[in-house]
Parts: sequence; structure tokens; C-alpha cells
Amino acid sequence: NAGVTQTPKFRILKIGQSMTLQCTQDMNHNYMYWYRQDPGMGLKLIYYSVGAGITDKGEVPNGYNVSRSTTEDFPLRLELAAPSQTSVYFCASSSPGTDTQYFGPGTRLTVL
Amino acid sequence: GENVEQHPSTLSVQEGDSAVIKCTYSDSASNYFPWYKQELGKRPQLIIDIRSNVGEKKDQRIAVTLNKTAKHFSLHITETQPEDSAVYFCAASIYKFSGGYNKLIFGAGTRLAVHP
Repeated sequence: NAGVTQTPKFRILKIGQSMTLQCTQDMNHNYMYWYRQDPGMGLKLIYYSVGAGITDKGEVPNGYNVSRSTTEDFPLRLELAAPSQTSVYFCASSSPGTDTQYFGPGTRLTVL
Repeated sequence: GENVEQHPSTLSVQEGDSAVIKCTYSDSASNYFPWYKQELGKRPQLIIDIRSNVGEKKDQRIAVTLNKTAKHFSLHITETQPEDSAVYFCAASIYKFSGGYNKLIFGAGTRLAVHP
């Protein structure tokens, strides 16, 4: 199993550009999550999903959108990139009842 | 809102010493408390977790204790080694009763440096 994979690893955006961060898991986990980690800080939940077609906002959802059309994929969309969105983005997944969240390798995003 | 406070923010120890990191949570309904280790430029990795029906859990040099009454839990690392140097995050679960699923609220992290 590859676990949780994310693409791209790095990206530089200009202010106002848009992009999609990809996340895929092959563990058949129902639950998936997007976090952002600012330098020297902890992880903040952006959005999460409990299954295909079901998503909900986390602590810091503004400026982001998500979709969940399949169990495996949970892309994160930035529509109008702003410097405040410069961060490392982690995707995670977990199975109902086990609680353990497994993280992807992260995407380092810089908005200039 | 729900939050998790973590102390200290930085911790420096000599190799072989013990290290203790403490966290306090706000939601009395939280019942799952994982600890993650994050090395520089890497993803967070689960190192140990504890549930609310257990007061202590140990895995080799790592142990976690939970005091539900006081709403705090701690990570204990004994006989520290240079490879223990990393950032450690605690987290507490926040359950949605209608959905039966969990979210995690993370502490701000503790940067542990183990000096040879």
C-alpha cells in the first residue's frame, strides 16, 4: 500500500492564481482531512469528509473548497491565492472507529 | 471553542535524560489522545496514543499518561537519544455525535533537542 499520497510536493503561485492540491489514499478509509501547518505552528483543520459526497468545514475553511467524488480522492481547491495561504498542506485519512489518522507527505505552497 | 494547549514550546535535554511534554484540553467529551512526531520536512507520524478508559500506556521508551479529571495528558520519553530530536504534537479528539466521526485538535508543538 502506498498509504496517503499528495501532489505536487512544492508549488509557487502568484497572488490571484488558482490550483488544486491532490490527495489519494489506498487504504479504503472513509474519513479524509486537509490540514495546513504554518511555520513553527501546529496543524489546523481546513476541511474534512466522512465519505464520498460528504464534506464539512474545519477550523480555517475560508479561501478553500473541497470535493469528494470517490472514497480514494479528496482534492483541495484554492480559487484566488493569497500570501496568507503560504503554508504546508497535509492530507490525512482514517478508518471509522480506529481514530488513527495517517498523514500524506505534504505540499509546500508559497504565494508571492 | 475547543483547544489544546501544549508546553513547553521548546525542550533541550542531554542524551540519556528524560523528557516530559504536557498538554491540556478543553472538551470534556474528548476520548482519544494521540501523539505525533514530526521530523524536519517530514509528515507527522503517530508514535503513541491513549483512550479515555486508560490512565497510562507504555511502548518501550515512550509512555503517555492521562488525567481525565484535570483534562491533561503527558508524553514521557526516557533514555533520550539524538534521533528523538523532532517536533512533537499532542492532539485531542472532538466527536460529532450525530455523525459518529472524529476530528483532532492539535497542540502547537514542542521542539525537542537531544544533545549528545
